[in-house]
Amino acid sequence: ETGVTQSPTHLIKTRGQQVTLRCSSQSGHNTVSWYQQALGQGPQFIFQYYREEENGRGNFPPRFSGLQFPNYSSELNVNALELDDSALYLCASSLTSGRGETQYFGPGTRLLVL
Amino acid sequence: QQQVKQSPQSLIVQKGGISIINCAYENTAFDYFPWYQQFPGKGPALLIAIRPDVSEKKEGRFTISFNKSAKQFSLHIMDSQPGDSATYFCAASGGGADGLTFGKGTHLIIQP
Repeated sequence: ETGVTQSPTHLIKTRGQQVTLRCSSQSGHNTVSWYQQALGQGPQFIFQYYREEENGRGNFPPRFSGLQFPNYSSELNVNALELDDSALYLCASSLTSGRGETQYFGPGTRLLVL
Repeated sequence: QQQVKQSPQSLIVQKGGISIINCAYENTAFDYFPWYQQFPGKGPALLIAIRPDVSEKKEGRFTISFNKSAKQFSLHIMDSQPGDSATYFCAASGGGADGLTFGKGTHLIIQP
């Protein structure tokens, strides 16, 4: 186990609603990244937070937003949910945001949008 | 545009055999290439990683071979065991804040 925890484990929402997913980083890690993994696909990078600031973003619309707190825990917020947002959402923490830092993944939150 | 192409999509290997998974990348800025293993219901777990300054890295039964000129890298699992049955992802990154770019995954089954 990596020490990265996520909550909730499963979630069901309806189209148009908003959702907040939570992640607790591994002890001592100040960087967290979020990924979306659709069924049968590899994870896709959403964004990264380093010391409470977003410092990198993948090809996701602004309705995907996040927060990182002083204790380095993190939230992923998704507004105006669409059916295609159904996926496993993974957070990964790393010691820092430097090049090639190992990312340790949590077990994920499975989101179903109906 | 898929920046990391992984093959095969699925692979069946007999116990004790060698499992080989291949990846190719397009972005020459990539300088870190990890392999992750994922079991059903779990998050990906780092297996082994390589940087382009070496052509091979071995850790136990797992070996990465890296060909910088061809922009290809592969994972070899020696003496494959049923417990190795999982989905394997190659990935690449070119900078700390860019995140990892993953391949689509290889579903590996090791038959006893």
